[in-house]
Formats: sequence, C-alpha cells, structure tokens
Amino acid sequence: AQKITQTQPGMFVQEKEAVTLDCTYDTSDPSYGLFWYKQPSSGEMIFLIYQGSYDQQNATEGRYSLNFQKARKSANLVISASQLGDSAMYFCAMRERTGNQFYFGTGTSLTVIP
Amino acid sequence: DAGVIQSPRHEVTEMGQEVTLRCKPISGHDYLFWYRQTMMRGLELLIYFNNNVPIDDSGMPEDRFSAKMPNASFSTLKIQPSEPRDSAVYFCARPQWGDNSNQPQHFGDGTRLSIL
Repeated sequence: AQKITQTQPGMFVQEKEAVTLDCTYDTSDPSYGLFWYKQPSSGEMIFLIYQGSYDQQNATEGRYSLNFQKARKSANLVISASQLGDSAMYFCAMRERTGNQFYFGTGTSLTVIP
Repeated sequence: DAGVIQSPRHEVTEMGQEVTLRCKPISGHDYLFWYRQTMMRGLELLIYFNNNVPIDDSGMPEDRFSAKMPNASFSTLKIQPSEPRDSAVYFCARPQWGDNSNQPQHFGDGTRLSIL
C-alpha cells in the first residue's frame, strides 16, 4: 500500500485565492511526522511545514497551514492568498518514528493564474 | 543551499561511462540520504547512512549503483556502467536541524544526470 497518496496531479488557483492540496497517509506507527515540500521549476526542494502526530493544533507557517485530520489520516496543505510565485510542485511526506525513511507522495502541480 | 552541496549540478555523458555524484553535507549530522527523482517514479530513496555506515540500501536499483560515505562530510553515489534509464535528478539530503529524530529533510540542489 502507498504510504503517501496525493490524488491531485494538477491544480489551478486564482491569484489571491486560497487552495487546498490533498494528502492522505497510511501508517500503523502511532508516532510520525508529516511534511510538505515545494519544488519550483528550478528544481530545489524547499521544506514548508511540519506536523507531528501528537500535535494538538494544526501547524501554521505564514500563508501555509496544515489541515491535520488524524482519524481520517489526512494532512492537507492550505495556501492562503496565493501568489504567482506559489506555482510549483508540492510534495507531501511522512516519516515514521520506527524508521528513518521519508515516504514521499507523487506530488501536485499547482499553477497560480493571474 | 550551503547546508548540502552537491556536484556536479549537471552531468551529461554517454551510456557505459562511469558517473560519480558527490555530496558534501555540513558535518555533525549523523544521517545522510540519497534520492532519485524521475517523472515516472517520483522521488525514491536509494540509500541512507548513519554515522557513515549504510543502513538501508534496498532502494538501490541494481549492482551498477554503489554509494560510499568515507567521512561525515562527504559521500559519493557511483553508477557504473551508466544507462539511459539512469537519467534523473539525484538529491542528497540530511536532517535540517540536527540529529535525525522527527526533523525535515534538507535537500541539496540536486544533480541533473542525462545519459545519452
């Protein structure tokens, strides 16, 4: 089974609007971390936001927030007030406490329309 | 980013040639990871090291691939002989804020490899 599933290969959003990128995960480990990365066309992988499995509150970092629904095993990324520079690939990832490996989803390509 | 330096940034070579990719993480971190990214397969973990020792190399595609970490601030990924299907972007990564616990990965800028 896939550890991380991103079902949206591509998304479009109007500039200044909010957008939600979906991510579901699969693990039996009670302790894990969830991460989102941004990969612009230049290719570098940029860490955006982290959510721990025991965190009571949803993580926020500036315009990024993580909608963490533990029972549903989902960790959707919300980008508010989209900017043209947000156009990129976005990857969801998970690390289980029992291992050191990061599991990455297949990514979602986000295009911000002026 | 200065946290993880990869070289070369781009490599173009003919099939059959030996290719060596290099990674220089800031020393002091115990873990180092090598990934490969392709359109077809996404981001795949190839191998990771802890204290310079390979821990899990189950992601290494085949015997043509080998990786070493002779010291805490240098690692190589070697492909010999190279094949066109090895064309990909290869990333080196380490935990961002220190020893590996629940820390995000900090990636180098990657090496874009093209095998003709």
